Amino acid sequence: ETGVTQTPRHLVMGMTNKKSLKCEQHLGHNAMYWYKQSAKKPLELMFVYSLEERVENNSVPSRFSPECPNSSHLFLHLHTLQPEDSALYLCASSQQTGNTEAFFGQGTRLTVV
Amino acid sequence: DQQVKQNSPSLSVQEGRISILNCDYTNSMFDYFLWYKKYPAEGPTFLISISSIKDKNEDGRFTVFLNKSAKHLSLHIVPSQPGDSAVYFCAASEGNFGNEKLTFGTGTRLTIIP
Repeated sequence: ETGVTQTPRHLVMGMTNKKSLKCEQHLGHNAMYWYKQSAKKPLELMFVYSLEERVENNSVPSRFSPECPNSSHLFLHLHTLQPEDSALYLCASSQQTGNTEAFFGQGTRLTVV
Repeated sequence: DQQVKQNSPSLSVQEGRISILNCDYTNSMFDYFLWYKKYPAEGPTFLISISSIKDKNEDGRFTVFLNKSAKHLSLHIVPSQPGDSAVYFCAASEGNFGNEKLTFGTGTRLTIIP
């Protein structure tokens, strides 16, 4: 248990669906992140939030929409995804935006059909 | 272009022997390096790190070596135990304190053979 919880663990969605991934941390951290891990590719940073404000968006398509209502919760809203978006989506948090020792959640395995 | 490379996708080591995982990087601005360990169905967990001002950092059975001139780092696990079987990610960061970004390698799957 790392203190970062992601739900759901697995998600299968059609290309016309709208779904959301949820991340929660109880570590008192100020920064939260979304990462994408595709098969045989490095972990890719998608979004960075610091104190509920988005501080980085790594050229992520608009079909991925993050939301950070407070410093403990982070969402990733998904709509009109493509099959190539199928991947493991990992949430992480750290004390501040220097995410060198980030704590990761277990991830959501997303399959787009 | 991958700035952090783990060229060995998998590695098998006999229990009790030394496991050596390698990582190469291309960005000379990286100044902090980390290893993460990942079990199936879990997120990566931080294992050990090293700053560019050092060439070695040791924590129990785990030692990370950094060769800045070769842009190479390695993780040594000795003695290897079955519980060490996992995917190991090398990561590197640059930037001012509080504004670093992590760049990950593709991972090496380590299997410890009992």
